[in-house]
Amino acid sequence: SAVISQKPSRDICQRGTSLTIQCQVDSQVTMMFWYRQQPGQSLTLIATANQGSEATYESGFVIDKFPISRPNLTFSTLTVSNMSPEDSSIYLCSVLGQGANYGYTFGSGTRLTVV
Amino acid sequence: QKEVEQNSGPLSVPEGAIASLNCTYSDRGSQSFFWYRQYSGKSPELIMSIYSNGDKEDGRFTAQLNKASQYVSLLIRDSQPSDSATYLCAVNVADDYKLSFGAGTTVTVRA
Repeated sequence: SAVISQKPSRDICQRGTSLTIQCQVDSQVTMMFWYRQQPGQSLTLIATANQGSEATYESGFVIDKFPISRPNLTFSTLTVSNMSPEDSSIYLCSVLGQGANYGYTFGSGTRLTVV
Repeated sequence: QKEVEQNSGPLSVPEGAIASLNCTYSDRGSQSFFWYRQYSGKSPELIMSIYSNGDKEDGRFTAQLNKASQYVSLLIRDSQPSDSATYLCAVNVADDYKLSFGAGTTVTVRA
């Protein structure tokens, strides 16, 4: 399966600021996704990162709050903008690999605390 | 109605016993089904995938799929303390690459 490097692993941020999370994959992948996992909860899909075009957001998530970039087939960023304590969560990058790497794999996650 | 539902936990089993986890889904066109294991503070790790009706075995894990009943299960045989984790059922909705996750079932294996 594809190997994902996600950075940072954790951060503590002041409310009103923004944080950009990076996701780097070791091989070209078909799809890249961003999830949020709130404490004690399951995974909620934020958006699908589309290469070279705007991300596709799920209901309840908007581009102004969670801008996403995907400049190529192996890299994506998620920005959490104008943060509030309610944004404290774990953010996970996930990819759907191709060929021999077919399957959904998750990055190690970014644990965000907003104070 | 939630798309993917899992049996409520937590589930506590003695070491060596069988842990049985259940998952139902609402979209009859769902095609791919996955079980992930998530240790506390870690990201989900794929342990089983199943695409056709019947059983699929991998070591101590067996996934069972019944599309007519819209039901997928995971059996963990000879449960070990290292199996203590939250198990997430995920379903790939037809004609879409997105995964929908259940709420998860937390399993504790008692030594």
